[in-house]
Amino acid sequence: DVKVTQSSRYLVKRTGEKVFLECVQDMDHENMFWYRQDPGLGLRLIYFSYDVKMKEKGDIPEGYSVSREKKERFSLILESASTNQTSMYLCASQAPGPVYGYTFGSGTRLTVV
Amino acid sequence: ILNVEQSPQSLHVQEGDSTNFTCSFPSSNFYALHWYRWETAKSPEALFVMTLNGDEKKKGRISATLNTKEGYSYLYIKGSQPEDSATYLCAFSAGGTSYGKLTFGQGTILTVHP
Repeated sequence: DVKVTQSSRYLVKRTGEKVFLECVQDMDHENMFWYRQDPGLGLRLIYFSYDVKMKEKGDIPEGYSVSREKKERFSLILESASTNQTSMYLCASQAPGPVYGYTFGSGTRLTVV
Repeated sequence: ILNVEQSPQSLHVQEGDSTNFTCSFPSSNFYALHWYRWETAKSPEALFVMTLNGDEKKKGRISATLNTKEGYSYLYIKGSQPEDSATYLCAFSAGGTSYGKLTFGQGTILTVHP
């Protein structure tokens, strides 16, 4: 089974800090995704990557950037954290192709104070 | 942005009740419809993926149907148990150069009371 590991379960950061959320998968999947989940809004796509060094903006990329230097690792970066980025962040990995579902990490609940 | 809607937003049922909820999605450029179950403090877990109009899938007491022509899917739970309490997510994937990315509905939060 594919395992997707997110580095932190809970994180508290201060406004203006640079924040790194790390995600590692162990099954050599090409596609990786970052979503945030907010009550009533569901999962919204921030960024995704379909190969090393490749990245595409999702629906809500503002205030975020990503890095994919190695196939197994996809990092989400909050350049200058703000309180409206307080959320649950989910990373997912997927074999290529729309018929394949995601394997999710366990999520990082980020609070920006 | 593709529009995927789930209803109801939340549902409270008694143990033993059967229940169902709906996912509506764009009927054009359809490729696949996914259902996930997300329990508190766990990762979302894949339940079903359906690709063909009329598809029906079953896993234990949970089943799902798909109508791609009208753009909806139903998830049914027969004889709900407290352990079925979770958020149920549906997700749509489009054809073309979507790279497999999924668009999720808001989820239906199911609470099963003993």
